[in-house]
Amino acid sequence: GNSVTQMEGPVTLSEEAFLTINCTYTATGYPSLFWYVQYPGEGLQLLLKATKADDKGSNKGFEATYRKETTSFHLEKGSVQVSDSAVYFCALSVLFGSSNTGKLIFGQGTTLQVKP
Amino acid sequence: NAGVTQTPKFQVLKTGQSMTLQCAQDMNHEYMSWYRQDPGMGLRLIHYSVGAGITDQGEVPNGYNVSRSTTEDFPLRLLSAAPSQTSVYFCASQRTGFNEQFFGPGTRLTVL
Repeated sequence: GNSVTQMEGPVTLSEEAFLTINCTYTATGYPSLFWYVQYPGEGLQLLLKATKADDKGSNKGFEATYRKETTSFHLEKGSVQVSDSAVYFCALSVLFGSSNTGKLIFGQGTTLQVKP
Repeated sequence: NAGVTQTPKFQVLKTGQSMTLQCAQDMNHEYMSWYRQDPGMGLRLIHYSVGAGITDQGEVPNGYNVSRSTTEDFPLRLLSAAPSQTSVYFCASQRTGFNEQFFGPGTRLTVL
């Protein structure tokens, strides 16, 4: 079946530290991969995405590369800020039917806390 | 555009009560879905719809009903609430052929 596994949190870092949140997936076919972010008290927002192998998604200093050989999509940021404190979800999209629209399958989420 | 809106933001129910969580989007998206978010489990798909008049079950549909009479609205009904349905519920919409889903702000439901 299709599934997403993220590293367990919480992750606590000091400001300006390097961030990696691991994400691996299992999927049939060729899924699209996503990172969503959820700030406290809010809904989910798309952070970045990649639709095929070796694609790199990037946004707001965050990056993730679609690695088909290792079935991974790890999230990285070179220098985190306090404002990056949030819950981060890795997800994959599996197309269904002929609608070219995908269902999202989420990992369990990783809480990031950045301290000044 | 208001995007995806959900009402109410918070709700407390007693076991056995029924209620409807409202979801609306003004982006003319064909695809809409409902998720529940529970600690340590990420978001799990409850029901989804690929267009008006078409709905289908997701991963955890038991205890929930949906209908899609218009493109804009996708309400989620709890017929007889149970404590196991205490969760945060998110509605999302997506334009057919595009990858991004847009999420509402969520409804926090507590069933006593």
